[in-house]
Amino acid sequence: AQSVTQPDIHITVSEGASLELRCNYSYGATPYLFWYVQSPGQGLQLLLKYFSGDTLVQGIKGFEAEFKRSQSSFNLRKPSVHWSDAAEYFCAVGAPNAGNMLTFGGGTRLMVKP
Amino acid sequence: DTEVTQTPKHLVMGMTNKKSLKCEQHMGHRAMYWYKQKAKKPPELMFVYSYEKLSINESVPSRFSPECPNSSLLNLHLHALQPEDSALYLCASSQGRTENYGYTFGSGTRLTVV
Repeated sequence: AQSVTQPDIHITVSEGASLELRCNYSYGATPYLFWYVQSPGQGLQLLLKYFSGDTLVQGIKGFEAEFKRSQSSFNLRKPSVHWSDAAEYFCAVGAPNAGNMLTFGGGTRLMVKP
Repeated sequence: DTEVTQTPKHLVMGMTNKKSLKCEQHMGHRAMYWYKQKAKKPPELMFVYSYEKLSINESVPSRFSPECPNSSLLNLHLHALQPEDSALYLCASSQGRTENYGYTFGSGTRLTVV
């Protein structure tokens, strides 16, 4: 079965600073990988996804993520954080041979200092 | 229309009440999902409908009863809930269980059981 680990429960960055949120997955083949963002009391919004091809994926709101098979990682990055980026971020893995069911990581709460 | 709409947004119910949550999408998606999310936790899968048939039930108690009347609608009927069932209930949809376009989530129903 697949699993996802987000090592950082909380991260605080200053507005305008760069951001990297870590995600490690466990799966026997190439997984489908996703990053979602959730504002308090809201649903989840898809930031970006990786299925195959170019390992650097561009998403919405200026986010990007890089798939590194050798490290089993799919880290999310943003060069300059805005105060509105403060939210909970979830990495998720979909298993192509298991009905593409999503398994979520535990989430990382991002706080942005002015 | 690229949204998943959930109603109501908030619901307070007693332990003897019967209520229903509703989810609607008009994107032509053929897979629909119910997730439960407790505070500061990732979403947990409850049910999956694929082509209007229940395909996965993640050992959810019978006091939760899903229904998929047609390809656009998904209901979750609630009866005799417990206070620990209080959570954010998220509906999601996807093209299908094997297509890989990611899930679209609704904004959720915040349920409080008193």
